[in-house]
Amino acid sequence: DAKTTQPTSMDCAEGRAANLPCNHSTISGNEYVYWYRQIHSQGPQYIIHGLKNNETNEMASLIITEDRKSSTLILPHATLRDTAVYYCIVNGNFNKFYFGSGTKLNVKP
Amino acid sequence: EAQVTQNPRYLITVTGKKLTVTCSQNMNHEYMSWYRQDPGLGLRQIYYSMNVEVTDKGDVPEGYKVSRKEKRNFPLILESPSPNQTSLYFCASSLSRVLGSPLHFGNGTRLTVT
Repeated sequence: DAKTTQPTSMDCAEGRAANLPCNHSTISGNEYVYWYRQIHSQGPQYIIHGLKNNETNEMASLIITEDRKSSTLILPHATLRDTAVYYCIVNGNFNKFYFGSGTKLNVKP
Repeated sequence: EAQVTQNPRYLITVTGKKLTVTCSQNMNHEYMSWYRQDPGLGLRQIYYSMNVEVTDKGDVPEGYKVSRKEKRNFPLILESPSPNQTSLYFCASSLSRVLGSPLHFGNGTRLTVT
């Protein structure tokens, strides 16, 4: 499975869009990009995933570059409740689903 | 409501006293997995199951057992717990191994072994 690189932490003002980047330069053709978040010590919460095309759901948008070597998770209007650790995961073999260190997003009033 | 349910949420026990953490999902998912989360080490996979009666080791299986007698249940068994198994445990499930099926996690079990 491809390794991912994310910034350790990011700040975002409440009400503004939060853009969380992820590099996955070794991604292979059959690997999906998944995003999860974890608030305090709760179970990781699934946000969105994609293969090639950009995706949008009620929580967020996922932008994947054309070469698939990086992606960006966009929370369009961040709230204080979006403060969490966000994990970008690239997975092809579903038996192994690796969570890295993630990005700590701090949403500030 | 579709969910993965773990019990108990908190458990304090002593070294060597066998315990079981239960996990149940109501989504008819084929795939289930157990993870432990430790500071600085992220989530590490303990065991997984692709379907009933099919289980396999993850990255850190030592000291743990699992069983999958029914599709909805995937208990984690610690036959002789030790202090190094003090951790936060998560159960997860997914519709299948088909690429694209996301994992759904339970709310966790915080285990302390003294």
